[in-house]
Amino acid sequence: QKEVEQNSGPLSVPEGAIASLNCTYSDRGSQSFFWYRQYSGKSPELIMSIYSNGDKEDGRFTAQLNKASQYVSLLIRDSQPSDSPTYLCAVNPGNQFYFGTGTSLTVIP
Amino acid sequence: DGGITQSPKYLFRKEGQNVTLSCEQNLNHDAMYWYRQDPGQGLRLIYYSQIVNDFQKGDIAEGYSVSREKKESFPLTVTSAQKNPTAFYLCASSLRDLTEAFFGQGTRLTVV
Repeated sequence: QKEVEQNSGPLSVPEGAIASLNCTYSDRGSQSFFWYRQYSGKSPELIMSIYSNGDKEDGRFTAQLNKASQYVSLLIRDSQPSDSPTYLCAVNPGNQFYFGTGTSLTVIP
Repeated sequence: DGGITQSPKYLFRKEGQNVTLSCEQNLNHDAMYWYRQDPGQGLRLIYYSQIVNDFQKGDIAEGYSVSREKKESFPLTVTSAQKNPTAFYLCASSLRDLTEAFFGQGTRLTVV
């Protein structure tokens, strides 16, 4: 069983819509959760971190964490074509990071 | 300007050769990590270190070696024992175990 699972996509949304990306994880002891975006050929860039249940908002991005259901999601409001890289979910149960395989997002103008 | 520097950006290796990838950080982070990424796949952990002079194997450590003699530096050697070394290698660091990790720009290694 994979530690972190994401729908590989591609996920397509029209420009201006809300994009919703989901991630589930297997280790109930996980304590910190992260979303990264990765453009083709580049290294991952941190978007948000979340450590406690609930929502965390930063600009157009909202991370949501539900530890009981073992999922973490990322909402992108007012999606723009520049929001079209791959999004990686990462989970840290204590001493290392486990990454999902990423969800490819396409924002259609 | 703080950050993580990986060098070189591109590296070509002949079969049977060992090569060393450099990773330096000036963020005063305790933990450092090496990941490998293959096309269309996620990041797989090679080695990680949480303190100087100590490191642990990740999921795919065979054919790789590391050292952590200084807090700022965590070089990765790809040995000839690594059968399929062509990949994108990413170094990351984090302040402590549970805090966010930041990545260098990566090294693309190709075996010729």
